[in-house]
Amino acid sequence: GENVEQHPSTLSVQEGDSAVIKCTYSDSASNYFPWYKQELGKRPQLIIDIRSNVGEKKDQRIAVTLNKTAKHFSLHITETQPEDSAVYFCAATSGSARQLTFGSGTQLTVLP
Amino acid sequence: KAGVTQTPRYLIKTRGQQVTLSCSPISGHRSVSWYQQTPGQGLQFLFEYFSETQRNKGNFPGRFSGRQFSNSRSEMNVSTLELGDSALYLCASSLRDSHQNEQFFGPGTRLTVL
Repeated sequence: GENVEQHPSTLSVQEGDSAVIKCTYSDSASNYFPWYKQELGKRPQLIIDIRSNVGEKKDQRIAVTLNKTAKHFSLHITETQPEDSAVYFCAATSGSARQLTFGSGTQLTVLP
Repeated sequence: KAGVTQTPRYLIKTRGQQVTLSCSPISGHRSVSWYQQTPGQGLQFLFEYFSETQRNKGNFPGRFSGRQFSNSRSEMNVSTLELGDSALYLCASSLRDSHQNEQFFGPGTRLTVL
């Protein structure tokens, strides 16, 4: 089955700096890669997703890049703000697998 | 639209007991997935239901089961509870295939097994 590895497990950045979280996946058939943000005590929420037919997607300060050859994808957050502090989960799936496999999460702390 | 709701929010049980958790999806959503969340393990997929049928099941023992009703509400049951079952159980609903579309999560049920 699919295996998703996520790094780093914790990340601290100064407010205004950029943050990058990286994930690798094992199933070359995977074609959907969402990112979820979970604030302390709250439910996970989708912040951005990308499908395998594109290499990059942006939404304001958030971007995701996908390298299908290397089987890795990354989340980029620019101009970080304290409200970006949360746990971020990447996930991957293929049409045949019919289930999302999540990474183990990255605790991002934005220091004021 | 009301979001995904889960009941109860907190549960304390002892080893050997069984428990039933409930999830009400967003109106119109036919897919409900269940996840177990534990510290350091991320979200582990339990199963997905769509139109009252289990479409996929994760790598969990048979003590974990579920069902979905005609109104798309879903229940999850865990029998013969073990200490390791202590976790946050999240359900998520989506309009169509959960594994290819945005999932909307509920607040979770925090289960503690003593």
